[in-house]
Order: sequence, then structure tokens, then C-alpha cells
Amino acid sequence: NAGVTQTPKFQVLKTGQSMTLQCAQDMNHNSMYWYRQDPGMGLRLIYYSASEGTTDKGEVPNGYNVSRLNKREFSLRLESAAPSQTSVYFCASSEGGRQTQYFGPGTRLLVL
Amino acid sequence: AQSVTQLDSQVPVFEEAPVELRCNYSSSVSVYLFWYVQYPNQGLQLLLKYLSGSTLVKGINGFEAEFNKSQTSFHLRKPSVHISDTAEYFCAVSESGGGADGLTFGKGTHLIIQP
Repeated sequence: NAGVTQTPKFQVLKTGQSMTLQCAQDMNHNSMYWYRQDPGMGLRLIYYSASEGTTDKGEVPNGYNVSRLNKREFSLRLESAAPSQTSVYFCASSEGGRQTQYFGPGTRLLVL
Repeated sequence: AQSVTQLDSQVPVFEEAPVELRCNYSSSVSVYLFWYVQYPNQGLQLLLKYLSGSTLVKGINGFEAEFNKSQTSFHLRKPSVHISDTAEYFCAVSESGGGADGLTFGKGTHLIIQP
């Protein structure tokens, strides 16, 4: 039982490049989330998916897109990376929208 | 919309001393409250949560928190800290009766344990 897994763990991009962050959970949770963590800012919600087939914007969605591929997987895509997107990205899942969230280990992204 | 304020960005404390990390929230509806801990270079782990019932909530690693509705607070306490408690602690809130999905996090408090 791996919980929430994220790939890759680290990534360096040049400005303008694209990439997709992968997230999978094996807890049969309905809801999945993407957060970014920046120093002194806490965690801010980028996008979430309340159930398979639905996605909604969070607090900071600009520059990102998401796909809820199936119940297990929720990916985050940066179409044209910018230095302001340098951050640590966390995926999380929960049984329902306002319940305990379980977090993955994070992806550290550096955009040069 | 709800918000969370963690009043201290850093709290230094000596080993075996008690500690309190403060958290205040604002919301126009009933809330669920959470404390998460993040050890260096790791993801977040749930310490404890308040959903309903007793206002004193006990969590893992000897931590506890008290929900105070009149003061809109959910302070985290431990009677005697250990070096291994050095970490970042996040308070979070969600609306129990509707509203947007997801958690709103505070900016975190870095607990520094001094030997």
C-alpha cells in the first residue's frame, strides 16, 4: 500500500519548456488535489478533482492544466514553464472534499 | 471564504520544555480543523483533526489541540518536546457544511528544538 506517489522527485526546466507531473493514489479516494509550496507561503491549492471526470480551479491555477485520467491518477501540466513556477509541488487525495488529505512526497521543480 | 493565521513563523524551544503553536481561523460557516507536520524534505503528515464532538483532540507523537469556537482558535500543544519534533507545522481548515472543496492552509510555523 504505497499511498500517494509522485513522479518525478526532481526536475530542472528551462523557461518555455513543458512538462507533466504525475500523481497516483491506491486508497480508492474520490478527491485529488495539487498544491504548490513556496517559502513563507504555506501550501496553495492549484487545482482539484472532486471525482473522476471533474476538475476545478483552486487559488493559483494560472499557467497550469490538469487531467484526472482515472480514479487513481491526477496529472499536472505546465505548458510553458516560467521561473515563477519554481516550487515544490504536492499531490494529495482524500475520501471526500472536506476530509483528511493524504500527501505525496512532493516534486521539486526548478525553472531557469 | 475561510482563512488561517499562524501567528508565529518560528518558535524556538528547549528540549523537554512545553510548546504551544497558535492557529486562528476565520469562516462564516462550521469548519473542520487540521494540524499537519512536515519533516525536512518530506510530504505532509496528519497530526490530528477536529471534526465534531470533544473540543480537546489528541493526535500522534503526544500532540493535542483544543478547538475554541468563541475565539476561532485551534492551538497545538505538547507538554514536553523532543529533538525529533523539529519540523514545520501547518494548521488547515475546511468548511464542513458546503463551500469550496479542499483545505486552506496557514503559512506554517517552524518549530526549532534546542538541546
